[in-house]
Amino acid sequence: GNSVTQMEGPVTLSEEAFLTINCTYTATGYPSLFWYVQYPGEGLQLLLKATKADDKGSNKGFEATYRKETTSFHLEKGSVQVSDSAVYFCALTPMDTGRRALTFGSGTRLQVQP
Amino acid sequence: GAVVSQHPSRVICKSGTSVKIECRSLDFQATTMFWYRQFPKKSLMLMATSNEGSKATYEQGVEKDKFLINHASLTLSTLTVTSAHPEDSSFYICSATTGRNYGYTFGSGTRLTVV
Repeated sequence: GNSVTQMEGPVTLSEEAFLTINCTYTATGYPSLFWYVQYPGEGLQLLLKATKADDKGSNKGFEATYRKETTSFHLEKGSVQVSDSAVYFCALTPMDTGRRALTFGSGTRLQVQP
Repeated sequence: GAVVSQHPSRVICKSGTSVKIECRSLDFQATTMFWYRQFPKKSLMLMATSNEGSKATYEQGVEKDKFLINHASLTLSTLTVTSAHPEDSSFYICSATTGRNYGYTFGSGTRLTVV
């Protein structure tokens, strides 16, 4: 079956530090890949997505590249801010229609200190 | 953009009672809605998938008689937790999709506490 593996958190960084959150996946075919962010007490917000190999998703300074050869979709940001503190989820859905449920990783909590 | 409204955001109920959670797509028609459960500091676990006008498809291990899902229209799905017990306390999140462009929109979640 499909699965997503994320690095364990929490990740604690100082403001303006470089961020990498690793994500690898197992799936048949070519799934679509997503990063979602969850702020305390809230639902999930789409951060970025990539629907085919070598695509780069980007938003709000965050980037992730769909690497088929390494089955990875690592999240990066060059300079984090305190407001980026949240839980980040990597997710995938099968390649077919986008009507199937998302499979989530375990989430990585990011704490950015001033 | 697409908006999903989930209500209530928080609810406290007594053990043995039932609670209904609503999930509405405000500005689009959701062909499919998903219900997830999130345990503290854990990931989201899919409970069921519902398509408008059809019976929900439950994931293995989810009691369909306990977690009743109704998707009566293209803009509304409800989750009813029947005869709630403290172990049902959790954060429940709905998600809706049009089935196009991989557009999944999430509700803001419902914190259920059973006392």
